[in-house]
Amino acid sequence: ILNVEQSPQSLHVQEGDSTNFTCSFPSSNFYALHWYRWETAKSPEALFVMTLNGDEKKKGRISATLNTKEGYSYLYIKGSQPEDSATYLCASSGGTSYGKLTFGQGTILTVHP
Amino acid sequence: NAGVMQNPRHLVRRRGQEARLRCSPMKGHSHVYWYRQLPEEGLKFMVYLQKENIIDESGMPKERFSAEFPKEGPSILRIQQVVRGDSAAYFCASSLRGNYEQYFGPGTRLTVT
Repeated sequence: ILNVEQSPQSLHVQEGDSTNFTCSFPSSNFYALHWYRWETAKSPEALFVMTLNGDEKKKGRISATLNTKEGYSYLYIKGSQPEDSATYLCASSGGTSYGKLTFGQGTILTVHP
Repeated sequence: NAGVMQNPRHLVRRRGQEARLRCSPMKGHSHVYWYRQLPEEGLKFMVYLQKENIIDESGMPKERFSAEFPKEGPSILRIQQVVRGDSAAYFCASSLRGNYEQYFGPGTRLTVT
């Protein structure tokens, strides 16, 4: 993996469904993995920052896991609600500096009532 | 606590003019980052600054672009002699430290006519 890649590109689910997305990132020169939630016409909102292999973080119905050895992270949303509709971005930091985030293209989630 | 502020929110410039984009970080944050989103593309890192220092400018175009974060006042991203290809959304983010989560501003949408 040379770049940060996210899948799927888009996802349509029904209210109440649980869903998950994948983020793959280069495991060399890795420092941290960031997840953001981005609603149209708003700023990207920070969800999680994870650094250690095996890290799991949770915020309400949203949780994330990290595998630095194989270079992937999963984001889970339990019981999706229409207000969860947004683009979910992951970014890895590392390389030339800790502060440089390399973003994936995002997963667009639409939750239908 | 006010979030990251950017101004102007929208900026229109003719080819050959200069564009100045301002970013005020969150209170207490001394690390600032600039990202660019070209049409139909994802967020791309441009530069990482601390007060009076450029930490990482690996994403900055070699010509016409410069950034500063003075001891007092906002961070400035300056684009000289703008061209149509500079039309994009420019986002600023700030963090407490270089390896912490980054908080994004609402962005400045630059249109070059």
